[in-house]
Amino acid sequence: EPEVTQTPSHQVTQMGQEVILRCVPISNHLYFYWYRQILGQKVEFLVSFYNNEISEKSEIFDDQFSVERPDGSNFTLKIRSTKLEDSAMYFCASAIQVNNEKLFFGSGTQLSVL
Amino acid sequence: QQQVKQSPQSLIVQKGGIPIINCAYENTAFDYFPWYQQFPGKGPALLIAIRPDVSEKKEGRFTISFNKSAKQFSLHIMDSQPGDSATYFCAASRVSGANNLFFGTGTRLTVIP
Repeated sequence: EPEVTQTPSHQVTQMGQEVILRCVPISNHLYFYWYRQILGQKVEFLVSFYNNEISEKSEIFDDQFSVERPDGSNFTLKIRSTKLEDSAMYFCASAIQVNNEKLFFGSGTQLSVL
Repeated sequence: QQQVKQSPQSLIVQKGGIPIINCAYENTAFDYFPWYQQFPGKGPALLIAIRPDVSEKKEGRFTISFNKSAKQFSLHIMDSQPGDSATYFCAASRVSGANNLFFGTGTRLTVIP
């Protein structure tokens, strides 16, 4: 079964450093998302991306965050200057259509900001 | 603003029992209500979903009950098994237009053999 692949599985960084989280969505999917889950809390929407531009973003997704689809397969989330409160599990997700049905999540990248 | 409220936070049942997880939502524009199952170290995986035009949906041992007037929906797991032990999240969204899912806070289910 096709799956969303995320790398790395764990990322440790110093506060103020830039990090890039990488995702390979399912190949025929057109809609891409980033969600995050702070330890013990609910999964929260960050951003959605379609046709090489952001469709929607939450208030969490401020100027420190950016997304990019640099080629036909990768989808990245960049955090420019990490803060302690950015520590969370970041999930990439993709869907073949826009209406949220059959949204497939990756296994996540655990980001720890020290 | 908590768009989706989920309870209980944790649940322990014996094998064969029927755990019930409840969710309530606020936004009447929501029209898609999925349940996700998450095992440790994995991302959430879609388990079952319902639209508000029906009051119940069953897939295998999993059933969603939906009460539109009360703005509540629940997940029932029939004949629960130890392999069902996981965290379950309800979610809600508008199918048309908006892209983001609003998740509940999760229920950690443990099924004792």
